[in-house]
Amino acid sequence: GAGVSQSPRYKVAKRGQDVALRCDPISGHVSLFWYQQALGQGPEFLTYFQNEAQLDKSGLPSDRFFAERPEGSVSTLKIQRTQQEDSAVYLCASSLGATSAYNEQFFGPGTRLTVL
Amino acid sequence: AQKVTQAQTEISVVEKEDVTLDCVYETRDTTYYLFWYKQPPSGELVFLIRRNSFDEQNEISGRYSWNFQKSTSSFNFTITASQVVDSAVYFCALSELGTGRRALTFGSGTRLQVQP
Repeated sequence: GAGVSQSPRYKVAKRGQDVALRCDPISGHVSLFWYQQALGQGPEFLTYFQNEAQLDKSGLPSDRFFAERPEGSVSTLKIQRTQQEDSAVYLCASSLGATSAYNEQFFGPGTRLTVL
Repeated sequence: AQKVTQAQTEISVVEKEDVTLDCVYETRDTTYYLFWYKQPPSGELVFLIRRNSFDEQNEISGRYSWNFQKSTSSFNFTITASQVVDSAVYFCALSELGTGRRALTFGSGTRLQVQP
């Protein structure tokens, strides 16, 4: 069966450009998470969706970051006016249930964003 | 606030050696879950184990074993008879049930290199 997929796998942007990162979760998974992983660090939480509802966006670092999941499946993370400090790997994860304290999160391969 | 500490940044062993990866966590919640994930060079996080805060039994799965001690807030991971394929970055993570926060809090990871 298909796992979590993300596209593009690599993205190079010039400072100031807008980027959009896509996540296709496992079919039927209710919960979807976005994490940011800086080089040599562990993933850090950005935002969480339960179906189409964005229930937690406390980890988004600034108002330049925006995420959506309009139909409760595919999600897009958008970064406006990219800055060099946005360079990182962006990981998407999905889990079957709504209470992810218990449920295992399945991770995608990530999108490596480099801002020049 | 929740926190996960992996003090070992990098460990290098020779194949067939046993190795233990340390994880110390902080939480005010009484109900929480602890996880270990493996991140091979391909970048995709692979789930290894989940434990809840009420189950302190050690667990063994093949060459892998986990030692959970609430008294010291530790959840250590041991690989017996290490193999080259075990080379990866390993992350310990925490999820709290009581706060309702569904995201995982990761440690900074331990890079394990197994030399042939």
